[in-house]
Amino acid sequence: GQNIDQPTEMTATEGAIVQINCTYQTSGFNGLFWYQQHAGEAPTFLSYNVLDGLEEKGRFSSFLSRSKGYSYLLLKELQMKDSASYLCAVRDPTGGGADGLTFGKGTHLIIQP
Amino acid sequence: ETGVTQTPRHLVMGMTNKKSLKCEQHLGHNAMYWYKQSAKKPLELMFVYNFKEQTENNSVPSRFSPECPNSSHLFLHLHTLQPEDSALYLCASSQDTSVNTGELFFGEGSRLTVL
Repeated sequence: GQNIDQPTEMTATEGAIVQINCTYQTSGFNGLFWYQQHAGEAPTFLSYNVLDGLEEKGRFSSFLSRSKGYSYLLLKELQMKDSASYLCAVRDPTGGGADGLTFGKGTHLIIQP
Repeated sequence: ETGVTQTPRHLVMGMTNKKSLKCEQHLGHNAMYWYKQSAKKPLELMFVYNFKEQTENNSVPSRFSPECPNSSHLFLHLHTLQPEDSALYLCASSQDTSVNTGELFFGEGSRLTVL
């Protein structure tokens, strides 16, 4: 089966740093994605990891450890507009479909002044 | 603007109605998807089309019927739905994963309420 876990909700302060963790158990693995979704809007792509290590993109970084089935999304210099849900998703090529992703429930991040 | 357009944005229907959701992508992608997003539940993959061919039906009830006439358009036909089918239905598209990450581009979604 497939299982992706991430915290339901987190709170952080404007200007600070926050780390959102994601653990996964899937039959196969061909990449892990992070998406951002503001209320009432479409999810938008943030990052992609397929090899172990850290990928940095501006204020956002994503880390992957395939042996541990673990990833995190690191957000630096938090801004109020970063308040959103952050979705962790895994591509499992053994799932039978083309490239459909399996998503976690999402982490609702609240930024306080 | 993600390049994926969904209509209608909001839909209210009775359990005996028949309606359709439409999705159009302007990105030249070859794969299109339907996802269901319910409160406090993860995004659920419903259907996958690759080069107009359905490659996955994730045990979705037959009251949901997809149609993909070409690589740019995707429909979800709805009939005799149940109140628990009320959710946000998201369409997405992606490019061939052999040449890039295959990230999904999502539309804004169609908010469906079944009375």
